[in-house]
Amino acid sequence: DIVVTQSPGTLSLSPGERATLSCRASQSVGSGYLAWYQQKPGQAPRLLIYATSSRATGIPDRFSGSGSGTDFTLTISRLEPEDFAVYYCHQYESSPLTFGGGTKVEIK
Amino acid sequence: DVQLVESGGGLVQPGGSLTLSCAASGFTFSTYWMSWVRQAPGKGLEWVANIKSDEREKYYVDSVEGRFTISRDNAKDSLFLQMNSLRAEDTAVYYCARDFRYDAKRYFDLWGRGTLVSVSS
Repeated sequence: DIVVTQSPGTLSLSPGERATLSCRASQSVGSGYLAWYQQKPGQAPRLLIYATSSRATGIPDRFSGSGSGTDFTLTISRLEPEDFAVYYCHQYESSPLTFGGGTKVEIK
Repeated sequence: DVQLVESGGGLVQPGGSLTLSCAASGFTFSTYWMSWVRQAPGKGLEWVANIKSDEREKYYVDSVEGRFTISRDNAKDSLFLQMNSLRAEDTAVYYCARDFRYDAKRYFDLWGRGTLVSVSS
């Protein structure tokens, strides 16, 4: 199984600051098979980034993804109030499909 | 509207059974792989199972293999999850999700709002 590890578990930042979220896989994941989701309290997850670096429909360009192999990054260039949420990375390289444990981005 | 709507959740005793449904609308359901993903209270996301568009392939996470069965009815645009021998650790919100699997890209591009399953005596 591919284990996906996210760090940090919690990121405390102020609006306007830059957020850098890390995602590490225990085995190589193809660039087409790594995605990021955003989840707010009481809501379903929402696709944010697919294929490592492509923004989903309607996602603002302050969100960007990068990486390859086993190391991937989600960057939020300038945090807006609506960006405070939990972010999950996800590998669809092989079954069982797995998610990271999540990074909570909270208001400092 | 393109959407997925889950139903069928509720309170069930350990060892009991429950069947979840997911109604799809606004897209050609029969051409997509579909998944169930769950989230225990206060925890992260866990993929449970998925099924190919023609139902010929099905995959499960080890923890539910042999207890849960994923199925679909393409004529009714519906996805199902039959859950047997339920355990306390199966307590979670269960999400229906659409698998995008084209052009060497794979991810979940559409999610339902979820249905809560509580396993307790």
